[in-house]
Amino acid sequence: SQQGEEDPQALSIQEGENATMNCSYKTSINNLQWYRQNSGRGLVHLILIRSNEREKHSGRLRVTLDTSKKSSSLLITASRAADTASYFCATRDTGRRALTFGSGTRLQVQP
Amino acid sequence: GAGVSQSPSNKVTEKGKDVELRCDPISGHTALYWYRQSLGQGLEFLIYFQGNSAPDKSGLPSDRFSAERTGGSVSTLTIQRTQQEDSAVYLCASSLTGQSSYNEQFFGPGTRLTVL
Repeated sequence: SQQGEEDPQALSIQEGENATMNCSYKTSINNLQWYRQNSGRGLVHLILIRSNEREKHSGRLRVTLDTSKKSSSLLITASRAADTASYFCATRDTGRRALTFGSGTRLQVQP
Repeated sequence: GAGVSQSPSNKVTEKGKDVELRCDPISGHTALYWYRQSLGQGLEFLIYFQGNSAPDKSGLPSDRFSAERTGGSVSTLTIQRTQQEDSAVYLCASSLTGQSSYNEQFFGPGTRLTVL
């Protein structure tokens, strides 16, 4: 079953603007990861944040994690049309091997 | 090097038929995962293989679903007596090992299954 909920479900912005997506989860986790998916097919790993970390950066990506609120956010700065995709958070729950995915945010960046 | 590959990329079948989906993980990866994604939804875990250990089948939705992994490499997901609700994209992923919490999972392009 899907435990992660993401909001917004869909986001449309102009090129150059920042995009923020949020993810909430319910269980205890080892880490939280964000993935990107183009055209409903293969997923690409973007960034992983461990449960003892609060913020992490990778290029134009910034991820925050608040384990007390069981929530995370993904910020994409200076967005580009090529960032158009669906973005999923996924948690590595304590004691589990597989990832538990959220329902995703569809991001549309208008050129 | 080569990524995770899956075949076929698309499969259309009639209700009641059996289907086999194949996954070739990245060479040297001992962990292999199957997920499925219904239209517009996130991924749902199906089954996990780690080396020669017994697989974690806790995500399989019914006994019509089974999977095997031969020789610790290629995996086949079999769906017997397919139903329309089985229509989805089936994604395979592999990682160096599933025993570390921090190993990235690399995903294949998926197989889109349509049951008529």
